Amino acid sequence: AIQMTQFPSSLSASVGDRVTISCRASQGIRNELGWYQQKPGKAPKILIYATSSLQSGVPSRFSGSGSGTEFTLTISSLQPEDFASYYCLQDYEFPWTFGQGTKVELK
Amino acid sequence: VQLVQSGAEVKKPGESLKISCKASGYSFTNKWIGWVRQMPGKGLEWMGSIYPDDSGTKYNPSFQGQVTISADKSINTAYLRWSNLRASDTAMYFCARLTWATNTYYIYYFDYWGQGTLVTVSS
Repeated sequence: AIQMTQFPSSLSASVGDRVTISCRASQGIRNELGWYQQKPGKAPKILIYATSSLQSGVPSRFSGSGSGTEFTLTISSLQPEDFASYYCLQDYEFPWTFGQGTKVELK
Repeated sequence: VQLVQSGAEVKKPGESLKISCKASGYSFTNKWIGWVRQMPGKGLEWMGSIYPDDSGTKYNPSFQGQVTISADKSINTAYLRWSNLRASDTAMYFCARLTWATNTYYIYYFDYWGQGTLVTVSS
């Protein structure tokens, strides 16, 4: 199975900060990667699909980039509602695999 | 689009269980449905997916043989079933609809999610 290594596992940031979360795949996955946000007690929510396509309704401060094995989610200016956990998911090959998650906390 | 999951369950080890995910607002037969596990305080794990039109399934090998994914297209409902629960099955389970973007290949992602079903297995 493709291993998705996500880092950092947690970070502390302030409102207005630029935040970057990374995922590294154990083999090339083209651009077949999505990013999900999950708040405590809630279902995940899609933010970015196909590496860099912004899901409808998601604020433009979220962006994704990368290809092959290295991928990045960027929040350009962190807002109070962005404090949550974030996961990458590869759909290049079965079994689909998530990264371990990144918890974004208030500094 | 809505996915509404069945309510929380408390079961004993060795018991069987079937949880459900009822879809509305779209053509149920034309989109894959996936199941995702989240153990307490842990991350997300893809368990498997089903295409309701023909009940074709894909399983994560880690869950193959441990659970059964099925669907009843007459009532727009997908299911996740255990025949022999273990304490380690204690988790939140989410269903989610798969959609896709196309390039020269399909790129799948979960665009709508159920609210989750908490399963607690304890003697």
